[in-house]
Amino acid sequence: AQTVTQSQPEMSVQEAETVTLSCTYDTSESDYYLFWYKQPPSRQMILVIRQEAYKQQNATENRFSVNFQKAAKSFSLKISDSQLGDAAMYFCAYRRDFGNEKLTFGTGTRLTIIP
Amino acid sequence: SAVISQKPSRDICQRGTSLTIQCQVDSQVTMMFWYRQQPGQSLTLIATANQGSEATYESGFVIDKFPISRPNLTFSTLTVSNMSPEDSSIYLCSVEGQSYGYTFGSGTRLTVV
Repeated sequence: AQTVTQSQPEMSVQEAETVTLSCTYDTSESDYYLFWYKQPPSRQMILVIRQEAYKQQNATENRFSVNFQKAAKSFSLKISDSQLGDAAMYFCAYRRDFGNEKLTFGTGTRLTIIP
Repeated sequence: SAVISQKPSRDICQRGTSLTIQCQVDSQVTMMFWYRQQPGQSLTLIATANQGSEATYESGFVIDKFPISRPNLTFSTLTVSNMSPEDSSIYLCSVEGQSYGYTFGSGTRLTVV
């Protein structure tokens, strides 16, 4: 079974600085997708960024980028120029490359932004 | 991406009663997913609901406790039956969106007293 591990229960960063959240996963599949979701206090799950395993190029979305290391099964999220609105729980998630597949989530990292 | 309307947003229920949570999607989708998020925890899949067939439940979740309805391609309900305080959680529905991303409902915060 696939597992997703986030080893940092909590992280904090000064506003405008850069922070990296870690995620590792375990799978025997070669084709899959990885995601980072943000959950602010409103409870809404918001997709931050997505990475296809077959792509070597790391995904980037504005201030958010990933470092995808397929061989190491590592998928970290870098947030640049941190803003107060970035404060939230961040979940790493995995899904196999099949239609209508479920997401498997990590345990989450609570990110605090220090003004 | 699909837009999901989830109701109720929160409820406080007496133990032994049942609560039905509804999710309405603005487009037709094959599968809908129901997750539970216990306090301070991650999301755990309860079941996958396919229109026209019985839902598929994950290990540790049973139909008698969490019956699911999927009458058409845009709607589903999850019932939490015979509730106890351990059922206090956030319940979320989800559908697959564009490019293999997933869209979530806004969640239902359930408190059982």
